[in-house]
Amino acid sequence: QKEVEQDPGPLSVPEGAIVSLNCTYSNSAFQYFMWYRQYSRKGPELLMYTYSSGNKEDGRFTAQVDKSSKYISLFIRDSQPSDSATYLCAMSAGNYQLIWGAGTKLIIKP
Amino acid sequence: SQTIHQWPATLVQPVGSPLSLECTVEGTSNPNLYWYRQAAGRGLQLLFYSVGIGQISSEVPQNLSASRPQDRQFILSSKKLLLSDSGFYLCASGSLGVEAFFGQGTRLTVV
Repeated sequence: QKEVEQDPGPLSVPEGAIVSLNCTYSNSAFQYFMWYRQYSRKGPELLMYTYSSGNKEDGRFTAQVDKSSKYISLFIRDSQPSDSATYLCAMSAGNYQLIWGAGTKLIIKP
Repeated sequence: SQTIHQWPATLVQPVGSPLSLECTVEGTSNPNLYWYRQAAGRGLQLLFYSVGIGQISSEVPQNLSASRPQDRQFILSSKKLLLSDSGFYLCASGSLGVEAFFGQGTRLTVV
């Protein structure tokens, strides 16, 4: 079993829909949870960063962490074609290393 | 904020040739630096990380090596490339395992 599981997709939704992206993990020591967006042939960029449990909102993006279920989510409201990308979750216990999901490819159809 | 400069963007090299990829960081001092490799459709694999000049830790024994000759310079090298070294190489900077800033990557094809 991988430490972090993420459905690779692709996930295709119409423009304006609410998108839900998820990761599950097995290591209860993880305290830091991150979501990155990666456009094709580009490096990842940090979207959201959450420490421990709870919700965090930034514009159209909301990150949720449920440590009891070992489950994290990223919600995108009013999705736009420009949101089409691969979304990677990553997490760590606060040491040097991030543990990465494989990424979910998201396609927003105009 | 930090900026990671990484070059070249694309590289095609024959099997057995040497490799040198360079990464430089702006906007911070004494950063933690990372080299990752990303296979198509897969997550990121950490290759090396460095917490300071001359300090390199390797995560995966392989055909590659890394060096940090200056505070904000990180170099990935190989003496003889293998076909299996093909991939997308990313340099990153960040706090210990909390977050990272990435360069734009080098797509390496070994032929």
